[in-house]
Amino acid sequence: RKEVEQDPGPFNVPEGATVAFNCTYSNSASQSFFWYRQDCRKEPKLLMSVYSSGNEDGRFTAQLNRASQYISLLIRDSKLSDSATYLCVVPTGDSNYQLIWGAGTKLIIKP
Amino acid sequence: EAGVTQSPTHLIKTRGQQATLRCSPISGHTSVYWYQQALGLGLQFLLWYDEGEERNRGNFPPRFSGRQFPNYSSELNVNALELEDSALYLCASSLAGGAGEQYFGPGTRLTVT
Repeated sequence: RKEVEQDPGPFNVPEGATVAFNCTYSNSASQSFFWYRQDCRKEPKLLMSVYSSGNEDGRFTAQLNRASQYISLLIRDSKLSDSATYLCVVPTGDSNYQLIWGAGTKLIIKP
Repeated sequence: EAGVTQSPTHLIKTRGQQATLRCSPISGHTSVYWYQQALGLGLQFLLWYDEGEERNRGNFPPRFSGRQFPNYSSELNVNALELEDSALYLCASSLAGGAGEQYFGPGTRLTVT
């Protein structure tokens, strides 16, 4: 099993819909989790941090399921500008300093 | 507040040459990370520096090296360039202990011909 696994997609979603995708991780000792978004040919940008059960920021909700070892990202009322690749990041190793980056899930919002 | 800056924006080299890429972190950030992203692929972790020391290294050959200066800026050196080294090289910085919350620069696009 990969340390961090994401469905590469693409997820093709109509504008205004709700979309969710998961990220599974293998290290049960991981304490915190992060979602980044990366637009085409741009640098990744931090979207959300998840330190406990979940986090919500506007239309975006991140949830953590420790028992099943996955985090999810839910986007409500999706906008065209949400089209991007969403990267899951899981700190691991001693003191959680080593980062494992998922390969990303590509999301395409269609008008 | 200024973000992470990288130079040059683009770099064109021929096979066998050396490339030097530079990164200036956000003020107050002591950790600098380097990543390689080939076209259409995911981020591949290269190096992590903190307080001038190399803390971790990804699965890359020794011809990829770097250093961090006392002002926390960093340099990535790639020796004996190969065609497969053509990629976007991203630098990120974070606060000490804040490895998960990284802020990226715009990258240097290296093309090896």
